[in-house]
Amino acid sequence: EIVLTQSPGTLSLSPGERATLSCRASQNVSSGNLGWYQQNPGQAPRLLIYGASSRATGIPDRFSGSGSGTDFTLTISRLEPEDFAVYYCQQYGSSPLSFGGGTKVEIK
Amino acid sequence: QVQLVESGGGVVQPGRSLRLSCTASGFTFSNFGFHWVRQGPGKGLEWVAVISNDGSNKYCADSVKGRFTTSRDNSRNTLYLQMSSLRAEDTAVYYCARGPVEMATSQRGYFDYWGQGTLVTVSS
Repeated sequence: EIVLTQSPGTLSLSPGERATLSCRASQNVSSGNLGWYQQNPGQAPRLLIYGASSRATGIPDRFSGSGSGTDFTLTISRLEPEDFAVYYCQQYGSSPLSFGGGTKVEIK
Repeated sequence: QVQLVESGGGVVQPGRSLRLSCTASGFTFSNFGFHWVRQGPGKGLEWVAVISNDGSNKYCADSVKGRFTTSRDNSRNTLYLQMSSLRAEDTAVYYCARGPVEMATSQRGYFDYWGQGTLVTVSS
């Protein structure tokens, strides 16, 4: 099973700042089969990125994904108030599917 | 628009059974595989099970293998999760989530649409 480790656990930033979230896999994630999700309190997760770098439908271009192999990054270029949430990475390159533990982006 | 609506959650005693449903609308249900993902109180996301578009392929996480099974009725646009021998650690919000159309027959995939979730509490 591929274990995903996200860092940092919490990121304290101000609106307008740049956020960089990391997701490291215990093994190679084949074909860049990695996704990122945003979750607000009491809501279901929302797909942001799939295939490591492709934005999902309706996702603003301030969200971008990069990486390959075992190291992946989600970048939010300028934080908007609605971006303060918890973010999860997920690998779907091999079974069982797995998620990282999450990074909380909070208002500083 | 795409909608997934779960139902069937509630409070259940340890060792008992429960069946969750997920009804879909706004797209051709039989073209997509589906997953169940759960989230314990204050915890992260855990993948639970997957079923292919035609129901012929099903896989479950080791944590629920032998206790949970997923099925679907394409004529009713509905997905099911049958849970038995429930334990306290199964307490969670259960989400159904759609897989990508290009992975409809696969046990793998990301989740492009999610339901709102249904809470299952296992407690005596």
